[in-house]
Amino acid sequence: SAVISQKPSRDICQRGTSLTIQCQVDSQVTMMFWYRQQPGQSLTLIATANQGSEATYESGFVIDKFPISRPNLTFSTLTVSNMSPEDSSIYLCSVEGGAKETEAFFGQGTRLTVV
Amino acid sequence: QQQVKQSPQSLIVQKGGISIINCAYENTAFDYFPWYQQFPGKGPALLIAIRPDVSEKKEGRFTISFNKSAKQFSLHIMDSQPGDSATYFCAASWVMAGGTSYGKLTFGQGTILTVHP
Repeated sequence: SAVISQKPSRDICQRGTSLTIQCQVDSQVTMMFWYRQQPGQSLTLIATANQGSEATYESGFVIDKFPISRPNLTFSTLTVSNMSPEDSSIYLCSVEGGAKETEAFFGQGTRLTVV
Repeated sequence: QQQVKQSPQSLIVQKGGISIINCAYENTAFDYFPWYQQFPGKGPALLIAIRPDVSEKKEGRFTISFNKSAKQFSLHIMDSQPGDSATYFCAASWVMAGGTSYGKLTFGQGTILTVHP
């Protein structure tokens, strides 16, 4: 099974600043996914990141607000730009892998609080 | 059309009881239906998943029942234990065009399960 490490695990940031979240996987994966989980809510897909191409964003999410990098097959970053309190959420990285086909693994998440 | 509706929002059962969580979907293109378990401070972990070509799948105490015509599926947790207390999410996905990945998941709203000893 894939092991995903996210950094930081949590952070408190001032509004108007940006935070970059790192996602490291212990094996090479084609696709990586970034999700947002607002307080007490479900998970919503932000974007899909493939190595060597621009990320594909879901409706309601834009590259200027959530730029994503995917420099290689084991690493990705998500930046939350110009933050406001509404961006306070848990941000999760996900990849596919493992013995079970289609199993999606999630990192432990980055808990972001914007003040 | 992309929604997955989950109920109940919260569920309390006694140890040894059966926990039942229901989900309904609208998009008939969905062909992969996983259930995730999430403990506080952790990312979701896959419990069990089903494809629409079967009506039921069982793994240990966890069973998915699937009704394709009704576009509904449910999770049954038999002999519920206090350690099962967590948030459960149903989800749905389909193979992206030209690919093999089911990684784009649409999640239900989640059910907070509490199992009393």
